[in-house]
Amino acid sequence: TQLLEQSPQFLSIQEGENLTVYCNSSSVFSSLQWYRQEPGEGPVLLVTVVTGGEVKKLKRLTFQFGDARKDSSLHITAAQPGDTGLYLCAGPTSGSARQLTFGSGTQLTVLP
Amino acid sequence: DADVTQTPRNRITKTGKRIMLECSQTKGHDRMYWYRQDPGLGLRLIYYSFDVKDINKGEISDGYSVSRQAQAKFSLSLESAIPNQTALYFCATSFGVSSTDTQYFGPGTRLTVL
Repeated sequence: TQLLEQSPQFLSIQEGENLTVYCNSSSVFSSLQWYRQEPGEGPVLLVTVVTGGEVKKLKRLTFQFGDARKDSSLHITAAQPGDTGLYLCAGPTSGSARQLTFGSGTQLTVLP
Repeated sequence: DADVTQTPRNRITKTGKRIMLECSQTKGHDRMYWYRQDPGLGLRLIYYSFDVKDINKGEISDGYSVSRQAQAKFSLSLESAIPNQTALYFCATSFGVSSTDTQYFGPGTRLTVL
């Protein structure tokens, strides 16, 4: 079974701090996506990475896809309360590119 | 108005009852999905449909059924609800079939089975 393990599961930090969350697997993925889910809402896509070693930036968020395409990280610079949410990584399910496998998520709380 | 809507948003029911969760979308997408979310387990795929005549089981389809009434409507049914089906349920749509395509999620239905 193809698994995406996310760490840490919970993270609580003060506004202005930097943080990194991780998405790891023992399997190779052709691509990975990061979604953010806010309370009472569905997940919203932040980014898709498709090339090993790829780095994408979205304002204060930096996403990296591992060289071997088995892992990804999300770094947030100068976190703000608006960054609070559940961060989910997702990749194509082994044997079925039409489906996505999601990690269990990192619950981030940024305190003012 | 939201592109993907789900009704009801919250539902409490009893063991053994039949429940239907509905999803409608105005995005014009052919692909629709049903997921459930449990704490610590992320999102797991229940069923997906790539057009009105194409219905596929996902990772955890046992105890669930679906109906694709039209391109815009995809319903999830629990024929006889049980307590371990208590969860947050999400409908999603996508334009393409590639795993790199964006999935657009509805706001979710919180279902409690007593």
